[in-house]
Amino acid sequence: EAQVTQNPRYLITVTGKKLTVTCSQNMNHEYMSWYRQDPGLGLRQIYYSMNVEVTDKGDVPEGYKVSRKEKRNFPLILESPSPNQTSLYFCASSLGDVGELFFGEGSRLTVL
Amino acid sequence: AQKVTQAQTEISVVEKEDVTLDCVYETRDTTYYLFWYKQPPSGELVFLIRRNSFDEQNEISGRYSWNFQKSTSSFNFTITASQVVDSAVYFCALSEPDAYGGSQGNLIFGKGTKLSVKP
Repeated sequence: EAQVTQNPRYLITVTGKKLTVTCSQNMNHEYMSWYRQDPGLGLRQIYYSMNVEVTDKGDVPEGYKVSRKEKRNFPLILESPSPNQTSLYFCASSLGDVGELFFGEGSRLTVL
Repeated sequence: AQKVTQAQTEISVVEKEDVTLDCVYETRDTTYYLFWYKQPPSGELVFLIRRNSFDEQNEISGRYSWNFQKSTSSFNFTITASQVVDSAVYFCALSEPDAYGGSQGNLIFGKGTKLSVKP
C-alpha cells in the first residue's frame, strides 16, 4: 500500500531535549516536505527536499533541521525544542511533476 | 507573492443543504496548480482535486463540484446535498511549477474552512 509513515504519532517532551520525527515513503517519490499546522494559521511549510541531498527552507524553518540521505526518508530534527514548536506536523511526498501531495497521518508534538 | 485566502473560517449547515466554500488566490505566474484537501476530525489530509491554470473547465465528482474562474482568481468548492460525513476542515492550496513545468509540490495553503454539517 502506497503510504507516508511518520513516527512518533504523539510525543510530549521538554524544552531543550533533542528529538527526531521520522518520515518514510514507499512510492519512490523525489519530492518530500514537512509542514506544521497550527490553529488559525493553516499549514505552513518548514523544509522541503527535491531529491537526495537536496534540501531547502520553507516558510518557517527556524528551529528545525532536516536531512535527505536516502530517497525514502526525510527526518525532521528539533535540536533544542521550545514550547512554540508545539504543533501538529505533517510529512508529505510527491512525484513532483504530478503535484498531488501524499500526506502522512501527522505527528502531534507537545513541548513543555 | 503567492497567497491563498479562504475568507470563511467556519460554516454550519443542516444535512442536505448545498454549501460552497470560497477560495481566492494570488500569483504572478501564468502556470500554476490549485488543490483542495479535506481534513476530517481524525486529522489526516485527504486529496480531493488538482487543477492546472490552463484548464478552466468545471469539475464534478459525485456530490462535489469545483468552479475555477481565472478572471476572479477563484477556485470554489461546492458540496451538494451535504452529509454529516462531510464535516471537516477544507483547505485550498496553490503551487507554482518547477523548472520542468510540473508542480513541485510546494503548496501554499489557505487557513482552511471548518464545515459542520448537522443532522
